[in-house]
Amino acid sequence: DAGITQSPRYKITETGRQVTLMCHQTWSHSYMFWYRQDLGHGLRLIYYSAAADITDKGEVPDGYVVSRSKTENFPLTLESATRSQTSVYFCASSKTGNEQYFGPGTRLTVT
Amino acid sequence: ILNVEQSPQSLHVQEGDSTNFTCSFPSSNFYALHWYRWETAKSPEALFVMTLNGDEKKKGRISATLNTKEGYSYLYIKGSQPEDSATYLCASLTTDSWGKLQFGAGTQVVVTP
Repeated sequence: DAGITQSPRYKITETGRQVTLMCHQTWSHSYMFWYRQDLGHGLRLIYYSAAADITDKGEVPDGYVVSRSKTENFPLTLESATRSQTSVYFCASSKTGNEQYFGPGTRLTVT
Repeated sequence: ILNVEQSPQSLHVQEGDSTNFTCSFPSSNFYALHWYRWETAKSPEALFVMTLNGDEKKKGRISATLNTKEGYSYLYIKGSQPEDSATYLCASLTTDSWGKLQFGAGTQVVVTP
């Protein structure tokens, strides 16, 4: 049972480049989420999805794009990476929208 | 209260001592209060989900209480051990923002031998 996985686990990219972070879950959970870890803020929601083809903005969506063509995948794209997007990104999924299960995280560094 | 707030931001505990800390959350449209345990370089792990006023949950030496009318929850660690060192996050779920957990900034607990 793979659960929820993220790839890559570590990524270094340059300012201005496009980068996509992948999230895959095997539970067929309806809800999926992207968070970033920010000092002093804990976890902040970037985007979430209640089902395939349904996405909505969270607290900090600027500079990010998501899609959800399949229930099990929820990729997050940084269209033109900036240094302020250096962070650890966590994907999570939930069956009902209540209890959430987190992936292992992707550490992204933008130089 | 408009946001989820946790206090203190950090605390240091001697091994064997007990401790507790607070999560305050908006009481309007309340549905559930979540506690997560987050170790450094790992992902947050669910501890408790509480929904009813007066709820008490326990897992080993860790327990939590919930007061939905006044909008606060306490997390207690009894007889702290070094492996309890982590950041403890609480998150509120409301009926008017379904699926969007609102997280506090966390309480970092350091247990020293």
